[in-house]
Amino acid sequence: KAGVTQTPRYLIKTRGQQVTLSCSPISGHRSVSWYQQTPGQGLQFLFEYFSETQRNKGNFPGRFSGRQFSNSRSEMNVSTLELGDSALYLCASSLVATGDDTQYFGPGTRLTVL
Amino acid sequence: GESVGLHLPTLSVQEGDNSIINCAYSNSASDYFIWYKQESGKGPQFIIDIRSNMDKRQGQRVTVLLNKTVKHLSLQIAATQPGDSAVYFCAETPRGFNKFYFGSGTKLNVKP
Repeated sequence: KAGVTQTPRYLIKTRGQQVTLSCSPISGHRSVSWYQQTPGQGLQFLFEYFSETQRNKGNFPGRFSGRQFSNSRSEMNVSTLELGDSALYLCASSLVATGDDTQYFGPGTRLTVL
Repeated sequence: GESVGLHLPTLSVQEGDNSIINCAYSNSASDYFIWYKQESGKGPQFIIDIRSNMDKRQGQRVTVLLNKTVKHLSLQIAATQPGDSAVYFCAETPRGFNKFYFGSGTKLNVKP
């Protein structure tokens, strides 16, 4: 079974631009979570989607948003990019949206904001 | 690589030795715990998990111990190999939520 895939793998943007990242979960997985990983803050939870609905949300500003499609694929969008948004953005999928379900991660999208 | 913290605690072990990586958590409502391994340039890879109704779980060469009294989690790797070199994270989530909180990570360096 194919793993979680994320596109693009690398992205360079400038301040003020917006960006959309894509995540395809493992086949059959219905929950998709997004995380931001930086050297200073480590891995931080952004949000989680299940059945096209946002079920959990982390402490990030409204510039960070996401959505999930009927095939469970998910996108996250960051508007008005800031230098501090440079990070590795990781997507993880799990079979259901309960708290005792293993999350499997994709390789991440490395975003650099100049 | 650049996906990990600049000042991660580092554990250096000799190939063939056993490794113990520790993690403290603060949320007493945390119910499910996972250990992940992250190699440079890759996403975290699932190693082993444990639920709060257990205090020990074993996998292949790995054992996770959970002490809920002191909110402590440990990962033991037997006969550590150079391929085990990576950053290891513990992650926790309360029951009913799919929102994981990650520890800051420990870098394991295995010397051949």
